[in-house]
Amino acid sequence: EVQLVESGGGLIQPGGSLRLSCAASGFTVSSNYMSWVRQAPGKGLEWVSVIYSGGSTYYADSVKGRFTISRDNSKNTLYLQMNSLRAEDTAVYYCARQGQWLAPFDYWGQGTLVTVSS
Amino acid sequence: DIQMTQSPSTLSASVGDRVTITCRASQSISSWLAWYQQKPGKAPKLLIYKASSLESGVPSRFSGSGSGTDFTLTISSLQPDDFATYYCQQYNSYWTFGQGTKVEIK
Repeated sequence: EVQLVESGGGLIQPGGSLRLSCAASGFTVSSNYMSWVRQAPGKGLEWVSVIYSGGSTYYADSVKGRFTISRDNSKNTLYLQMNSLRAEDTAVYYCARQGQWLAPFDYWGQGTLVTVSS
Repeated sequence: DIQMTQSPSTLSASVGDRVTITCRASQSISSWLAWYQQKPGKAPKLLIYKASSLESGVPSRFSGSGSGTDFTLTISSLQPDDFATYYCQQYNSYWTFGQGTKVEIK
């Protein structure tokens, strides 16, 4: 059974850093495209970042230069390192599996809440 | 960047109603469109991919159509479990979601 379990969210001050984790089971993270998607309170879904099976990474303009996506193949886990956090980064962060290119997000984690506030 | 525009933003309907939600892309995305259902406090759930393909386990009352820039999601007979927010998503060029359509009880 495919499962994605996020962790690492919490309350952080503006300018701070946080690392989110997404532990996968039932499939191999490194064989798939994996993304982070976020949802601000009461708002819609926003794609944040992707890591391809080949290792290439891409980011939304809103987080480019501040966030870094990575994976640990030995732990079958996806990460999102978030630096220089802003109030507008407050959201529930979901990890999602995509398969390969031109594929929808077929499995999602339950989400982890990041709150950026002083 | 490809923009996705959904309409309506909110839809009030009754159990048994036929419901249609539309999604328009700012440029052609061929058939690389998905529809998701999201309930409060839960992750989105994939319903439809490649514009009209039904995800495994999704009831057949859900259907999708369209290609190019104009797409629709139809629920043939609304059930109590279907009251939720629905999002379209293009995956032709990176990934962009529509703003969502909330289906409410009339």
